[in-house]
Amino acid sequence: DVVMTQTPPSLSVAIGQSVSISCKSSQSLVYSDGKTYLHWLLQSPGRSPKRLIYQVSNLGSGVPDRFSGTGSQKDFTLKISRVEAEDLGVYYCAQTTHFPLTFGSGTKLEIK
Amino acid sequence: EVQLQQSGAELGKPGTSVKLSCKVSGYNIRNTYMHWVNQRPGKGLEWIGRIDPANGNTIYAEKFKSKATLTADTSSNTAYMQLSQLKSDDTAIYFCAMWAFAYWGQGTLVTVSS
Repeated sequence: DVVMTQTPPSLSVAIGQSVSISCKSSQSLVYSDGKTYLHWLLQSPGRSPKRLIYQVSNLGSGVPDRFSGTGSQKDFTLKISRVEAEDLGVYYCAQTTHFPLTFGSGTKLEIK
Repeated sequence: EVQLQQSGAELGKPGTSVKLSCKVSGYNIRNTYMHWVNQRPGKGLEWIGRIDPANGNTIYAEKFKSKATLTADTSSNTAYMQLSQLKSDDTAIYFCAMWAFAYWGQGTLVTVSS
């Protein structure tokens, strides 16, 4: 199985600061079609997960452009510029390249 | 607007089965894969498996092969997951999702207790 290692496990940031979350996979996430199926999700407290970024760097529908994703092969980063109060929750990376699909262990973002 | 509406909370006794549903509106499930994911209390997300509603083909995570059974009814645009031989560590929220996790249901809490 592809292991997704997310760091840090938690973050505490002030409103307006920028943060980055790392996600490293144990195998390349490039599929045979040349695309990389690495996604970022946010689970706000008491809610279902919401997809923020798909295929490394594509912004999901309605997601503010304060969120951005970069990376390739096995090393990926989610950046949140100008954190807002509504950004609190747990962030997960997820890969849909290989079966079984797997998730990172999550990064909990708290607002100072 | 695409919406996934899951069935209500379940309380199951050890050794019994429960069947969860996920009704999709705004999109024909024949044109996508339906995934199921669980989240144990205070824990992260875990993929259970997926079904192709167009032909019924399924893929499961190894640990769920004898636990979960995925089905779909294209006439009602609904996906189902049956969990069998319930144990206490099956207590979790179960989500359905589609389109590579672009859309999620609200989750169904399954509590296993005698």
